[in-house]
Amino acid sequence: NAGVTQTPKFRVLKTGQSMTLLCAQDMNHEYMYWYRQDPGMGLRLIHYSVGEGTTAKGEVPDGYNVSRLKKQNFLLGLESAAPSQTSVYFCASSPDSNTDTQYFGPGTRLTVL
Amino acid sequence: SQKIEQNSEALNIQEGKTATLTCNYTNYSPAYLQWYRQDPGRGPVFLLLIRENEKEKRKERLKVTFDTTLKQSLFHITASQPADSATYLCALDMDSSYKLIFGSGTRLLVRP
Repeated sequence: NAGVTQTPKFRVLKTGQSMTLLCAQDMNHEYMYWYRQDPGMGLRLIHYSVGEGTTAKGEVPDGYNVSRLKKQNFLLGLESAAPSQTSVYFCASSPDSNTDTQYFGPGTRLTVL
Repeated sequence: SQKIEQNSEALNIQEGKTATLTCNYTNYSPAYLQWYRQDPGRGPVFLLLIRENEKEKRKERLKVTFDTTLKQSLFHITASQPADSATYLCALDMDSSYKLIFGSGTRLLVRP
């Protein structure tokens, strides 16, 4: 199993450009999450999904959209990138229990100029 | 809202000693608490989970305690090794849900 994979690994955008980050998991997990990690601030939840076709807002959703059309994929979109969205983005997945651990991808380092 | 505090200063110890990391939280007591390890340039990796009705949990050289009175969890690594050098994150459930709140982590450096 590949676990959780993220595409791309690195990306540089100019302010106002758009992009989509792809997360894929091959563990048949129900729950998927998108986090951003900034120095000194820990991981912050952007959006999450409790199953195929569902999405919900997390702690810092503004400026991002998500879609979960297939159970194994969770996409994070930035419609109009801003420098404040420069961060490392992590995707995670977990099975269907509320105490289950989360399995993280390797991250995407995004820089917005 | 729930806040998590982990020591932002790196913990620097000698190989073979026991490393002890602290996680403090405010407000409500979580139903469970998790510890993750994160290496530079990588995603966090789960280590241990402890529930609110458990005082202590062990896994090989790792031990976690959970004191709901003090609102604190301690994470211990015994017989530490240079390979244990990493950042350790504490995470709590958000309102007894499947969502987690993460601390900013404490960096551990184990000198040979």
